[in-house]
Amino acid sequence: DTAVSQTPKYLVTQMGNDKSIKCEQNLGHDTMYWYKQDSKKFLKIMFSYNNKELIINETVPNRFSPKSPDKAHLNLHINSLELGDSAVYFCASSLKGRQLNEKLFFGSGTQLSVL
Amino acid sequence: DQQVKQNSPSLSVQEGRISILNCDYTNSMFDYFLWYKKYPAEGPTFLISISSIKDKNEDGRFTVFLNKSAKHLSLHIVPSQPGDSAVYFCAASAPRNYGQNFVFGPGTRLSVLP
Repeated sequence: DTAVSQTPKYLVTQMGNDKSIKCEQNLGHDTMYWYKQDSKKFLKIMFSYNNKELIINETVPNRFSPKSPDKAHLNLHINSLELGDSAVYFCASSLKGRQLNEKLFFGSGTQLSVL
Repeated sequence: DQQVKQNSPSLSVQEGRISILNCDYTNSMFDYFLWYKKYPAEGPTFLISISSIKDKNEDGRFTVFLNKSAKHLSLHIVPSQPGDSAVYFCAASAPRNYGQNFVFGPGTRLSVLP
């Protein structure tokens, strides 16, 4: 059983298209995240949701819109894709999101390539 | 503005020897530190953590040391095994009223040679 699963694993698309990445966790965690690993390999937080409420939004363009229908799901929708959006996107979850000594559980990543 | 730095992009070690991976941080508000391990085409997996009230935490072959005055931490793997070959990320977080924001370093690729 995969704890944090995200689909698709690979996504190749043209500039200007709209695409979505889905994420689900079966750990019963309250908090979910989206991280972006850029070309320099840094993992940078994009969003965090706690019980469907947005709690972290780190200077991400408005073209990126997270949607959390319930606390087990956090999807990422990207409008008008640009070349610079090409990266690996990781979904993650943590138990509460606001306690010391928590850790993140990551999905396996979605490699997005914008042509 | 890199708040968490891993200045060695790669490290090669012989099997059975010690691997030492280093991490430096700039934000004095960081009070919790983690190491993650990542294999190709997989997500990072948690390895070990340490809070700022400690200077050492050990779990089997893995030990993390924290030097707060130097804003430096290190991960020791003894003995190193070929299966330890992966990218290792250092991460840190500071207290927030709500929501954890883990800041990651760029990673160090460890190769353990048989």
